[in-house]
Amino acid sequence: GAVVSQHPSWVICKSGTSVKIECRSLDFQATTMFWYRQFPKQSLMLMATSNEGSKATYEQGVEKDKFLINHASLTLSTLTVTSAHPEDSSFYICSARDSGLAGSPETQYFGPGTRLLVL
Amino acid sequence: GQQLNQSPQSMFIQEGEDVSMNCTSSSIFNTWLWYKQDPGEGPVLLIALYKAGELTSNGRLTAQFGITRKDSFLNISASIPSDVGIYFCAGQLSAGNQFYFGTGTSLTVIP
Repeated sequence: GAVVSQHPSWVICKSGTSVKIECRSLDFQATTMFWYRQFPKQSLMLMATSNEGSKATYEQGVEKDKFLINHASLTLSTLTVTSAHPEDSSFYICSARDSGLAGSPETQYFGPGTRLLVL
Repeated sequence: GQQLNQSPQSMFIQEGEDVSMNCTSSSIFNTWLWYKQDPGEGPVLLIALYKAGELTSNGRLTAQFGITRKDSFLNISASIPSDVGIYFCAGQLSAGNQFYFGTGTSLTVIP
């Protein structure tokens, strides 16, 4: 299957600092990437849809000024948690949509996740 | 958003037993995906289904796209300890739309 990488895999930061997480599709181009947040023993919560070359679409209740998303190329999307606070501590996972050839089915591949701990 | 009901929520089984879990929706989907997530890692795609009635296998795993297009099933035969994890279903209404995720099934295999 296709490979999606995420960096860093974990980060510890002080309250008030900003943290940037990168998501890359390594062997396919992804015009659309997704950012999820996951709390322990819970399902994935979609935060936003990242579209290459345009503004991200945020889910209801997700602050766009808090979670900045940039999708500047077909293989890279970044999520920046601005002025992080302890309540932002979580497991953040990105995924990339592999649309394949025109008319072929779509599949979604996940990165390995980034664990954020804000002290 | 769409809600996918996944059951059971958790399972505790003996090694060697077969496992069945399912996912249902009130909407018709055109794609069903099944993932497995190990602790501290991202979900890994197991099986993708694109046609109603489709039955697809991946080793000991078999998944089916329900005829009504509102449900999907995942079976694991002869479970082994490394099958432990959380299994998620995901459905897509139509091409280009987001995938909606089920609530997950936590599987524990007792050696």
